[in-house]
Amino acid sequence: EAGVAQSPRYKIIEKRQSVAFWCNPISGHATLYWYQQILGQGPKLLIQFQNNGVVDDSQLPKDRFSAERLKGVDSTLKIQPAKLEDSAVYLCASSLDGTVTYEQYFGPGTRLTVT
Amino acid sequence: SQQGEEDPQALSIQEGENATMNCSYKTSINNLQWYRQNSGRGLVHLILIRSNEREKHSGRLRVTLDTSKKSSSLLITASRAADTASYFCATDKGQGGKLIFGQGTELSVKP
Repeated sequence: EAGVAQSPRYKIIEKRQSVAFWCNPISGHATLYWYQQILGQGPKLLIQFQNNGVVDDSQLPKDRFSAERLKGVDSTLKIQPAKLEDSAVYLCASSLDGTVTYEQYFGPGTRLTVT
Repeated sequence: SQQGEEDPQALSIQEGENATMNCSYKTSINNLQWYRQNSGRGLVHLILIRSNEREKHSGRLRVTLDTSKKSSSLLITASRAADTASYFCATDKGQGGKLIFGQGTELSVKP
């Protein structure tokens, strides 16, 4: 089966600019996650969707970050305006059903550099 | 906030040796998972152990869980150069699949 797809793979922007990331989960997976991974650290959950509804966005900086999952499939994560500390790898993951215990499948990530 | 703390932060061994990584966590969990991340890539799920299990095997991997000590260990036997990667433990508190990852152990296996 096809894995989780993400684009772009790399992005360099200046601070105060905006950026958007796209994720296409594995077909049939109801739950989609966005993580932020700063260099040398483990991934930190930003937002979790169950179908097209938000389950958890407690660690999403809502003053600058937004995410949506239209029609319960693809998702986009946006940062506006970006700050230097947003430099990180943004990982998208999906699972069959987050309401029970299932392993998560990760995409390759988007490496964001904010200068 | 990070739930799991991994130890050691970095580990360097020779091919054929065993590698042991430890993970400690703070609050009660539903299950604990281990993931591998190769340089510049996404994470790959390795193994899941539930809170009522004490040991689990998968190929060259052995995971133990001690809920009384809030700790887990991952043993990779007969390591290979291809095992070079970062290894993360992630705890699931049964909150709809939400995982909290540790800082990771960077494993280097020299041929």
